[in-house]
Amino acid sequence: GQQVMQIPQYQHVQEGEDFTTYCNSSTTLSNIQWYKQRPGGHPVFLIQLVKSGEVKKQKRLTFQFGEAKKNSSLHITATQTTDVGTYFCAGASGNTPLVFGKGTRLSVIA
Amino acid sequence: NAGVTQTPKFRVLKTGQSMTLLCAQDMNHEYMYWYRQDPGMGLRLIHYSVGEGTTAKGEVPDGYNVSRLKKQNFLLGLESAAPSQTSVYFCASSIRDRVYEQYFGPGTRLTVT
Repeated sequence: GQQVMQIPQYQHVQEGEDFTTYCNSSTTLSNIQWYKQRPGGHPVFLIQLVKSGEVKKQKRLTFQFGEAKKNSSLHITATQTTDVGTYFCAGASGNTPLVFGKGTRLSVIA
Repeated sequence: NAGVTQTPKFRVLKTGQSMTLLCAQDMNHEYMYWYRQDPGMGLRLIHYSVGEGTTAKGEVPDGYNVSRLKKQNFLLGLESAAPSQTSVYFCASSIRDRVYEQYFGPGTRLTVT
């Protein structure tokens, strides 16, 4: 079945440094979603990407969807302590249910 | 709006006991989902429902049953709990036109001893 892999599993950064997490699918995706889960909290939807090569920005966060629609990335510029949490990508092919990656846990050292 | 709520927040079961987790949403969402989250495993879909009276299996359905008798409620049942079902369970919902923009509840932490 469809698999979604994320790297790295963990990332520790100094406040102000940049952070990137990568997501790769074993199959071509129709769309990809990104979610954030704060420690002890629940996943919160951040964004959806649908088009090949799409780039979307939310303040310091930049999301990209690969040309082949099999990979995606989330880049955070100048991390802040409020960015702490686990970032999940989740992809779907056609009308299938979402398949989540295992997430990247971000720690920010002040 | 309360959004998505889950009952209970915590529960400890002994092996072989049964229980039902309740999920309720007040957003009039058509779709509802049950996920489990284990350390290092991400979120895995157990069952989902695309409307009242309909359910479907997800990635890890064994040992669980679900029911969607009312649009706003989605119940997850464990008939005979096993230690492997120790996990955090999240319910989520979405509207039909934005299926993949899912709203999650606060979770239920279940321990089976």
